[in-house]
Amino acid sequence: NAGVTQTPKFQVLKTGQSMTLQCAQDMNHEYMSWYRQDPGMGLRLIHYSVGAGITDQGEVPNGYNVSRSTTEDFPLRLLSAAPSQTSVYFCASSFSGREETQYFGPGTRLLVL
Amino acid sequence: KQEVTQIPAALSVPEGENLVLNCSFTDSAIYNLQWFRQDPGKGLTSLLLIQSSQREQTSGRLNASLDKSSGRSTLYIAASQPGDSATYLCAVYYGSNYQLIWGAGTKLIIKP
Repeated sequence: NAGVTQTPKFQVLKTGQSMTLQCAQDMNHEYMSWYRQDPGMGLRLIHYSVGAGITDQGEVPNGYNVSRSTTEDFPLRLLSAAPSQTSVYFCASSFSGREETQYFGPGTRLLVL
Repeated sequence: KQEVTQIPAALSVPEGENLVLNCSFTDSAIYNLQWFRQDPGKGLTSLLLIQSSQREQTSGRLNASLDKSSGRSTLYIAASQPGDSATYLCAVYYGSNYQLIWGAGTKLIIKP
């Protein structure tokens, strides 16, 4: 049981490049979400999904896209990277919703030059 | 606006001390509150979840309390150890139409 996995661990991008951050969980959780963590701030929700085929925006969705074709996977796409997107990105999941204990991946550290 | 504050931002104490970390929230109509631990370069690990109807939760040397009327939660760590060194975050959930609201965390250092 691997829990929540994220790849890559670290990535450097140039402004304007696109990339996909991968997230997978093997716990059969319906609810998955993406957060970004910036120094001195609380985690901020980017997008979330309550099940396969269902996604919605969080607090800071601009510049990011998501899809949920399977229960296990929830990739986050950066369409055209900007320096303001330099951050640590965390994927989280729970059995059915945000009212439950959240399980986090190890994070992806992204640097946009 | 619902906000969650954690003070202090950093705390350093000698090994063996009992300590309290604080979390305050502006809106007392919470559904539940969670405490997490974050180790450097790693993800977050859930420590305790307190429902709005509960006053406290315990797990080993950790005890979390909740006082909705004053908008506060505390995380009590007994007999601190160097392995407790980490950043501790709290997150408040207000119900089905809301997301988790996060504090910025308290970085705890336990000195041997």
